[in-house]
Amino acid sequence: KQEVTQIPAALSVPEGENLVLNCSFTDSAIYNLQWFRQDPGKGLTSLLLIQSSQREQTSGRLNASLDKSSGRSTLYIAASQPGDSATYLCAVLNSGGSNYKLTFGKGTLLTVNP
Amino acid sequence: EAEVAQSPRYKITEKSQAVAFWCDPISGHATLYWYRQILGQGPELLVQFQDESVVDDSQLPKDRFSAERLKGVDSTLKIQPAELGDSAMYLCASSPDLVAGGINEQFFGPGTRLTVL
Repeated sequence: KQEVTQIPAALSVPEGENLVLNCSFTDSAIYNLQWFRQDPGKGLTSLLLIQSSQREQTSGRLNASLDKSSGRSTLYIAASQPGDSATYLCAVLNSGGSNYKLTFGKGTLLTVNP
Repeated sequence: EAEVAQSPRYKITEKSQAVAFWCDPISGHATLYWYRQILGQGPELLVQFQDESVVDDSQLPKDRFSAERLKGVDSTLKIQPAELGDSAMYLCASSPDLVAGGINEQFFGPGTRLTVL
């Protein structure tokens, strides 16, 4: 059974700081990995998707890396802003026979202080 | 930009009552998912449809939960009777294909926040 762990559970940083969020997973036979953002009481917004054959993806100030063999991914946020405050969720996609299952971590709650 | 629609956004009910949630996936997306997210946790899959067929409902509490996608487009998730422990965010997602090796990216709706009193 796939298990996804996110560290730290919560992080508070001053505005402008660069930061790294960590995600680890137990079953390395994944198809892809997604990073999501969730604002309080809202749905999930996809930030980046990394295919299993890729090492990293970039979008603006966000960079996600994937080390499939070691079961790790990081989300790097450059020059953090108060608007980045949210919960960040990591999820991995595995095959479960005839269907594909997305397993989530519990998330990292990020607070960026002005 | 196409989005997954869900309604209602919020629902308050008393225990033992019936509740229903509706989801309209992105047009053309064959796969539809219902997730439950308890506060402070990641979403957990309840049921997955490929077109109108259920492909995974192993985590759906079938004694009280039911889900259908009759025409392979929109879907309804029902709880009857609701219990206090059902209070959570119910998220619907859709993806274009299940083809191995292709991009299987899930797009989420805004969710329905259920409170059971």
